[in-house]
Amino acid sequence: DADVTQTPRNRITKTGKRIMLECSQTKGHDRMYWYRQDPGLGLRLIYYSFDVKDINKGEISDGYSVSRQAQAKFSLSLESAIPNQTALYFCATSDPVSSYNEQFFGPGTRLTVL
Amino acid sequence: EDKVVQSPLSLVVHEGDTVTLNCSYEVTNFRSLLWYKQEKKAPTFLFMLTSSGIEKKSGRLSSILDKKELFSILNITATQTGDSAVYLCAFLSSGSARQLTFGSGTQLTVLP
Repeated sequence: DADVTQTPRNRITKTGKRIMLECSQTKGHDRMYWYRQDPGLGLRLIYYSFDVKDINKGEISDGYSVSRQAQAKFSLSLESAIPNQTALYFCATSDPVSSYNEQFFGPGTRLTVL
Repeated sequence: EDKVVQSPLSLVVHEGDTVTLNCSYEVTNFRSLLWYKQEKKAPTFLFMLTSSGIEKKSGRLSSILDKKELFSILNITATQTGDSAVYLCAFLSSGSARQLTFGSGTQLTVLP
């Protein structure tokens, strides 16, 4: 079973619709992240959460919101989707006590906004 | 503004070739630099580098960091078609934030 799962894996929606992307993890990590990936731009951080009560904006948080429902769940919402939010979205987790500081990524959600 | 720049943006080689991927950075609170490999799915972790001059190796892959000149290289020897992927470098900031900032990646294509 995958340690970090994302739903849906693919989504096509229309401009103005509200969309929620969900992320769940079984790694027991406190830290969770949302990134988007666009061709030629690498991965950019949208939001991150260090525990259930801690939510922080990343470099491109405008137009997005998040909810940390539990240690294992971190959701990303687009309140009113627009075409330039078409991208590949990744959720990731990390363990702050790990000496490697590596992040574990989910499989990604491909979102298309028409 | 923190910045991570990777070069080349893309590279096409033949099996057996050796490649060197570059990552330079300008950051204010450097803690470590990480390399990831991304095929047609999520990135997978390769290396984390914290100290200058210490080479990390994993099979045919190796990486080294130069904190004075602010760059890192990833070497792949005897390339195979399975090495075809996007290689991402990212720096981890120090302090409580500990954010990862990614470069745009190098697309490596290894032809048979």
